[in-house]
Amino acid sequence: EIVLTQSPATLSLSPGERATLSCRASQTIGSYLAWYQQKPGQAPRLLIYRASNRATGIPATFSGSGSGTDFTLTISSLEPEDFAVYYCQQRSVWPLTFGGGTKVDIK
Amino acid sequence: EVQLLETGGVLVQPGGSLRLSCAASGFPFSNYAMSWIRQTPGKGLEWVSTLSAAGADTFYTDSVRGRFTISRDNSKNTLYLQMNSLRAEDTAIYYCATYTRGIPDYWGQGTLVPVSS
Repeated sequence: EIVLTQSPATLSLSPGERATLSCRASQTIGSYLAWYQQKPGQAPRLLIYRASNRATGIPATFSGSGSGTDFTLTISSLEPEDFAVYYCQQRSVWPLTFGGGTKVDIK
Repeated sequence: EVQLLETGGVLVQPGGSLRLSCAASGFPFSNYAMSWIRQTPGKGLEWVSTLSAAGADTFYTDSVRGRFTISRDNSKNTLYLQMNSLRAEDTAIYYCATYTRGIPDYWGQGTLVPVSS
């Protein structure tokens, strides 16, 4: 099973700042990585697939990069609605696995 | 608009059984593979199972294989998860999701399944 390790666990930032979230895979997964956003009481929402492709309706402030084992989600300028928990997920190898999440909270 | 509504989550005793349903609308259900994913505070998000669009191919995580069965009724636009021999560690919010490009895409709001005596 591929283990995804997200860092940091918590990121405290102010609106307007840039957020950089990391996800590291225990073995190479090509570009088969997705990112999700989850707000309290809501289901996860797909943001990015295949490492760098924005899902439908996702603003350009969200971008993804990386391949192999190291991946990054960048939020270029945090809006109030962007404070949430973010998860990475791989589909390279069954079983699908998720990272433990990074909470982006207001500083 | 894609809509997925999970139902069936109730308190169940260890060793018991439960069937979850996921009613789909807003997209051609019979053309899409579907998945169940669960979430707990302790273990986070865990993929449970995926079923192909026609229902011929099933995939399960090891911890539920042999106990859970995923199925669908394309005439009713509904996905199911039959859960048998439930354990305390199956306690979670269960989400259904469309499965496209090899990933869970659109998710429902989830249904809580507590397993406790």
